[in-house]
Amino acid sequence: RKEVEQDPGPFNVPEGATVAFNCTYSNSASQSFFWYRQDCRKEPKLLMSVYSSGNEDGRFTAQLNRASQYISLLIRDSKLSDSATYLCVVYNAGNMLTFGGGTRLMVKP
Amino acid sequence: DGGITQSPKYLFRKEGQNVTLSCEQNLNHDAMYWYRQDPGQGLRLIYYSQIVNDFQKGDIAEGYSVSREKKESFPLTVTSAQKNPTAFYLCASRDPTGGTRYTFGSGTRLTVV
Repeated sequence: RKEVEQDPGPFNVPEGATVAFNCTYSNSASQSFFWYRQDCRKEPKLLMSVYSSGNEDGRFTAQLNRASQYISLLIRDSKLSDSATYLCVVYNAGNMLTFGGGTRLMVKP
Repeated sequence: DGGITQSPKYLFRKEGQNVTLSCEQNLNHDAMYWYRQDPGQGLRLIYYSQIVNDFQKGDIAEGYSVSREKKESFPLTVTSAQKNPTAFYLCASRDPTGGTRYTFGSGTRLTVV
């Protein structure tokens, strides 16, 4: 079983739609959680951290459920520029980031 | 501006040849990492170094080698023993005082011809 699992997609949504991605992780001792965004042939960039209480950054909302070892990302009012691959990332003891395989989002006009 | 520089951006290698990918940072970060990414896949850790003159194998170290003689530099050599080297290679560094924040280079796309 992969340490961090995501649905690869693609998720094809129209502009203005709300879309949600999920991610599960296997290591219950994982300490920190993140969503990264990666554009085609580019390096990943940090989108947002994920906190236990849930957190929001503009149109983006992240949630963490430690009991279920589950992380989510909600994007409201999708824009064409949101088209990218979204990587779920988990930080474990030993100063290591572990990346999920990514979920590809395509926002259509 | 501080950052990580990877070179070259694109690299072509003949089968059986070794090739070295450059990674330089001027962020004064102690920890540096090499990842490999295949199409449609996440990043997999090849090697990492927490401090100068020390490095550790990651999940897929076979067929790769690294050195860390200077804090600023963490070159990755893809050897002929790596059976499927065509991939996108990403270098990253981490500032321990910055918690879990990683900085990535822009990557090197290696193709075996």
